[in-house]
Amino acid sequence: QKEVEQNSGPLSVPEGAIASLNCTYSDRGSQSFFWYRQYSGKSPELIMFIYSNGDKEDGRFTAQLNKASQYVSLLIRDSQPSDSATYLCAVNGGADGLTFGKGTHLIIQP
Amino acid sequence: DVKVTQSSRYLVKRTGEKVFLECVQDMDHENMFWYRQDPGLGLRLIYFSYDVKMKEKGDIPEGYSVSREKKERFSLILESASTNQTSMYLCASTGPGSGNTIYFGEGSWLTVV
Repeated sequence: QKEVEQNSGPLSVPEGAIASLNCTYSDRGSQSFFWYRQYSGKSPELIMFIYSNGDKEDGRFTAQLNKASQYVSLLIRDSQPSDSATYLCAVNGGADGLTFGKGTHLIIQP
Repeated sequence: DVKVTQSSRYLVKRTGEKVFLECVQDMDHENMFWYRQDPGLGLRLIYFSYDVKMKEKGDIPEGYSVSREKKERFSLILESASTNQTSMYLCASTGPGSGNTIYFGEGSWLTVV
């Protein structure tokens, strides 16, 4: 059984600070890793994906992957109140789609 | 842009009714999925399909069936709705052209009374 673990939070971060969201996964064969943002009552929307070890930056977002440690993280720089949402980590290891974590609830305090 | 459209956003059904949830995608994706999402339980895969007329059970298929008669359309069927099927249902699709990234529809909120 593939598992993806996230701290459910809530994670509270002051506006303008860096928010750090973490995720671990159990399947060493996993190849691709995704971060989705979900606002309350809305469907998940893709923020970033990463396939290779190291960092990938896109605007204020940086995804970090360490396959040896089976660890993936998302950093949000200069956090804004509009970043307050639940962040879902997802891992793709095969043809049956993604395995999702239960999400981390992030609160950016003005 | 990828568009995944779920025809019904909000439904209220009675126990025992048959319920159809329709999903259409416009990106010629091979793979389509139905998830349900409940507080504290996260996203759980009900069924998925990797081709027309093909279907595979996900983690929680009991009480559900699916139909994929055309590539762009994937339907979720609740043969006899029960109150524990009250949930938000999310359709998603993916394919090689999108780098296996999954795109979600807007969700269908189903309440069974």
